[in-house]
Amino acid sequence: QVQLQESGPGLVKPSETLSLTCTVSGGSISGYYWSWIRQPPGKGLEWIGYIYDSGRTSYNPSLKSRVTISVDKSKNQFALKLNSVTAADTAVYYCARVGPTGNWPLDCWGQGTLVTVSS
Amino acid sequence: DIQMTQSPSSLSASVGDRVTITCRASQSIYTYLNWYQQKPGKAPKVLIYSASSLQSGVPSRFSGSGSGTDFTLTISSLQREDFATYYCHQSYFTPQTFGQGTKLEIK
Repeated sequence: QVQLQESGPGLVKPSETLSLTCTVSGGSISGYYWSWIRQPPGKGLEWIGYIYDSGRTSYNPSLKSRVTISVDKSKNQFALKLNSVTAADTAVYYCARVGPTGNWPLDCWGQGTLVTVSS
Repeated sequence: DIQMTQSPSSLSASVGDRVTITCRASQSIYTYLNWYQQKPGKAPKVLIYSASSLQSGVPSRFSGSGSGTDFTLTISSLQREDFATYYCHQSYFTPQTFGQGTKLEIK
């Protein structure tokens, strides 16, 4: 049973960089696409981007200039960096796996971590 | 971006009711449509993928249909644990996008 766990600071100052890590346990990070999604408090879901184990990435154009997703296969982790954050980046951030069957469902999610942008 | 429009935005229903939620895409996404259930304080959970395939472990009272631009999620007989918010998700175009959500409440 694959499990994902997000980790990182819960509070980030405006203009600084948000950094989160997703640790994959119970399975290998190899051979899958891995995604980041966020959800502002009380609002809907926003796709941030994905990475394959080769390092191939795809990002939401609305965030592309500020976002980097990377993978560390040796640690079975992938990471999100979002720079120049503002209050609008306050959200619960989820990591998720793109399932191996069907048309790219997000079939396994972390529990989510709330990141607040505030001075 | 592809706009995903769900209707209704909220819905009150009773245990045992049959419920249908619709999702419309602003252009064809073929069957690249997934449905999720989210309960308060929890991560979303996939119910249906590729428009009509039931995710392993999901009760058979959940079903999905549609292709192109129009999709439906049906719950055949509501159970108490089904009261939650439901999201559709298109995974064909970049950026992937979600519907705004349908909150299903107990009548």
